[in-house]
Amino acid sequence: QQQVKQSPQSLIVQKGGISIINCAYENTAFDYFPWYQQFPGKGPALLIAIRPDVSEKKEGRFTISFNKSAKQFSLHIMDSQPGDSATYFCAASYESGYSTLTFGKGTMLLVSP
Amino acid sequence: DTGVSQDPRHKITKRGQNVTFRCDPISEHNRLYWYRQTLGQGPEFLTYFQNEAQLEKSRLLSDRFSAERPKGSFSTLEIQRTEQGDSAMYLCASSLGTSGGTDTQYFGPGTRLTVL
Repeated sequence: QQQVKQSPQSLIVQKGGISIINCAYENTAFDYFPWYQQFPGKGPALLIAIRPDVSEKKEGRFTISFNKSAKQFSLHIMDSQPGDSATYFCAASYESGYSTLTFGKGTMLLVSP
Repeated sequence: DTGVSQDPRHKITKRGQNVTFRCDPISEHNRLYWYRQTLGQGPEFLTYFQNEAQLEKSRLLSDRFSAERPKGSFSTLEIQRTEQGDSAMYLCASSLGTSGGTDTQYFGPGTRLTVL
């Protein structure tokens, strides 16, 4: 049973465009939702995270939108750059992150110049 | 570099051999996690430690897998009698693990295991 479903599997966006990646979760006990960025041959790196008590969080060009009733959250990358080309993973955790992470399957983003 | 480090970065072994990986967490991080990542998938949890105590193990962690964290510092993950299905990237992450706010996991670069 996949607890965190991520879409799309891959995404191509032109430079300067908006990249949008969506995730849905099933377990309402999840209360911490981070997004990780992974480049080939590297480990995942935390990009931005949100808790369900807020509907949106913005850090620079990256924004998380959170819909608690729909059990969905999404990552928006504004003004996408070729350097953003990477695989993005959404994840979910219990106890404000003081537990294991359950990851989505990932979205491979390619930003064309 | 004060990040999470893992050694070796790559390991090629023959089926049936034993392998051991090492993870050095960020200094003063109390929690240490092991995940496994196969091609095209997100990381999957294997086990984690709070200091030297192993608090949780995934059902993915068969009897051939064992992990230790002596003295609550570095950790080792050993796979005995490797199988081709063990081929994957093994990721280590650490976090402060102290109460208050949220707890962020920081990942190392991983050890890529290939079982021939």
